[in-house]
Amino acid sequence: QKEVEQNSGPLSVPEGAIASLNCTYSDRGSQSFFWYRQYSGKSPELIMFIYSNGDKEDGRFTAQVDKSSKYISLFIRDSQPSDSATYLCAMSARGGGADGLTFGKGTHLIIQP
Amino acid sequence: EPEVTQTPSHQVTQMGQEVILRCVPISNHLYFYWYRQILGQKVEFLVSFYNNEISEKSEIFDDQFSVERPDGSNFTLKIRSTKLEDSAMYFCASSEALMTQYFGPGTRLLVL
Repeated sequence: QKEVEQNSGPLSVPEGAIASLNCTYSDRGSQSFFWYRQYSGKSPELIMFIYSNGDKEDGRFTAQVDKSSKYISLFIRDSQPSDSATYLCAMSARGGGADGLTFGKGTHLIIQP
Repeated sequence: EPEVTQTPSHQVTQMGQEVILRCVPISNHLYFYWYRQILGQKVEFLVSFYNNEISEKSEIFDDQFSVERPDGSNFTLKIRSTKLEDSAMYFCASSEALMTQYFGPGTRLLVL
């Protein structure tokens, strides 16, 4: 059974600070890792994907994967009130297409102006 | 920017009725998916579809569910005999080969 665990929060961060989100997963075979943002009542919106161990940076976002400890992180620099949302981590077992994603329940992030 | 579209945005149905949820994936994508999200819960994978057949399905996707690509653009999810517990937001997603799945806006299904 694939499981993805996230702290549901809320996580409150002052505007301009770094927001740090993380999750753990159980399936050692997971190959691909994703972070989605979901505003209330809306669909998941892809922020970052990372296919290997290590770090990946895209603008204000940095994703980290540590496969040995089955731990992934997302850092948001210079956080803005518009970053307030629920952040979902997700993963898949294979690197190719047609693989269903296993999602965590999400962390509710609040950026305080 | 191309996007996944879904219709209807909301659907209310009586228990035991059949519903069909429709999706138009991004035009050059090859892989299609359905997910659901019960209110307050996590997004759950239902089924993936490639080359006109089911590629993978979850335990949730039982005999009351079916998927179809009736033409070159639409991708549908049919629930044959709806139950109260089928009430959820249903998301369609599509991807090219490299697994980056883009989600549609969802259909909110309410079963009474």
